[in-house]
Amino acid sequence: DADVTQTPRNRITKTGKRIMLECSQTKGHDRMYWYRQDPGLGLRLIYYSFDVKDINKGEISDGYSVSRQAQAKFSLSLESAIPNQTALYFCATESDYGYTFGSGTRLTVV
Amino acid sequence: GQQLNQSPQSMFIQEGEDVSMNCTSSSIFNTWLWYKQDPGEGPVLLIALYKAGELTSNGRLTAQFGITRKDSFLNISASIPSDVGIYFCAGHTAGGTSYGKLTFGQGTILTVHP
Repeated sequence: DADVTQTPRNRITKTGKRIMLECSQTKGHDRMYWYRQDPGLGLRLIYYSFDVKDINKGEISDGYSVSRQAQAKFSLSLESAIPNQTALYFCATESDYGYTFGSGTRLTVV
Repeated sequence: GQQLNQSPQSMFIQEGEDVSMNCTSSSIFNTWLWYKQDPGEGPVLLIALYKAGELTSNGRLTAQFGITRKDSFLNISASIPSDVGIYFCAGHTAGGTSYGKLTFGQGTILTVHP
């Protein structure tokens, strides 16, 4: 099993819909992150959490919210999806050896 | 916020050629990291650099942490088709192995022709 699992892998949703992207990890790491990848822009930080009671905004948090339900789970929500949120989304955990990324969720908002 | 400028944006090379890419920043970073992303997957760490001037190798990959702490480069020698992918530099300002928030470069798309 993968250390960091993201679901779904692909999702197409309509403008205005609420959608949740799930992330779970099996490593027991405290720190978890959500990044967004767009062509030519690299990965940009949306939200991060250093433990279950800690939630912090990243550089592009507008239009997103997160929930750290447990140490192992960190969910990203789009309350009302818009087309410019079409992107590849990555969850990551942090250990002393760096980040471990999930395989990503490709989200398309039509 | 902090920005990393990565170049080139894309490279098309023949198998066997050497590759070089670099990242520069207007801010000082305490750690530089290089990642590779295969299609349909998340980035995977290739090399981590923790000290200014540090030169580190991982097989055919060599990376250096610039003396000014504002730049880093990655070299790939004798490229092979499986080197295809997107390469990202990343940095952070925390100390040691406490990574915290990473800032990523825009990525270099590498294509290797057999």
